[in-house]
Amino acid sequence: GAGVSQSPRYKVAKRGQDVALRCDPISGHVSLFWYQQALGQGPEFLTYFQNEAQLDKSGLPSDRFFAERPEGSVSTLKIQRTQQEDSAVYLCASSLWGGLAPYNEQFFGPGTRLTVL
Amino acid sequence: DQQVKQNSPSLSVQEGRISILNCDYTNSMFDYFLWYKKYPAEGPTFLISISSIKDKNEDGRFTVFLNKSAKHLSLHIVPSQPGDSAVYFCAASAGFGNEKLTFGTGTRLTIIP
Repeated sequence: GAGVSQSPRYKVAKRGQDVALRCDPISGHVSLFWYQQALGQGPEFLTYFQNEAQLDKSGLPSDRFFAERPEGSVSTLKIQRTQQEDSAVYLCASSLWGGLAPYNEQFFGPGTRLTVL
Repeated sequence: DQQVKQNSPSLSVQEGRISILNCDYTNSMFDYFLWYKKYPAEGPTFLISISSIKDKNEDGRFTVFLNKSAKHLSLHIVPSQPGDSAVYFCAASAGFGNEKLTFGTGTRLTIIP
């Protein structure tokens, strides 16, 4: 497909379990972003990659959250010891090139809805 | 601290009339503003954007206005169509080299046939 894909689309986890969420960006896109969207809120920035380099992880809420993009394409967001407050939709976005003006459009995937029981 | 605010959670507009969605921001470092549209169970899709060096940008039925002194932007949709019913998010970026987006909480627009 031509768009950003995410898997799984839905994930239910018991409190304390570890989860891994996958993002396949658009082929050739250099920049990759993760956002967290709680119910009734707008997406909130978690972390940003340019190729394989994680340039900004200021939005990660705790050290239980970890993201990687080892080969500069597919990215995984891992949440360890999930808590109920981690329940949200996790959105991945990619853009063609980072750091150039004008702003480069971010293309979003459909998201992974995580429910922690 | 909500840096991007959309104070209207919902808006209903008659088909064919103008829809006006509003957004306010507090961070003076923001220099690029975007509107995204979101349908249920889908990711946000880019609609229109504006750089801080402009005060208006138009694309078909969609126009975005930026008032920097008031730190306010608005999205005008005219004429409104039933397919425009969605949640609209205002987003801002501090731009060059810092492309992470800060989103508002969204406005649900319903177009009444």
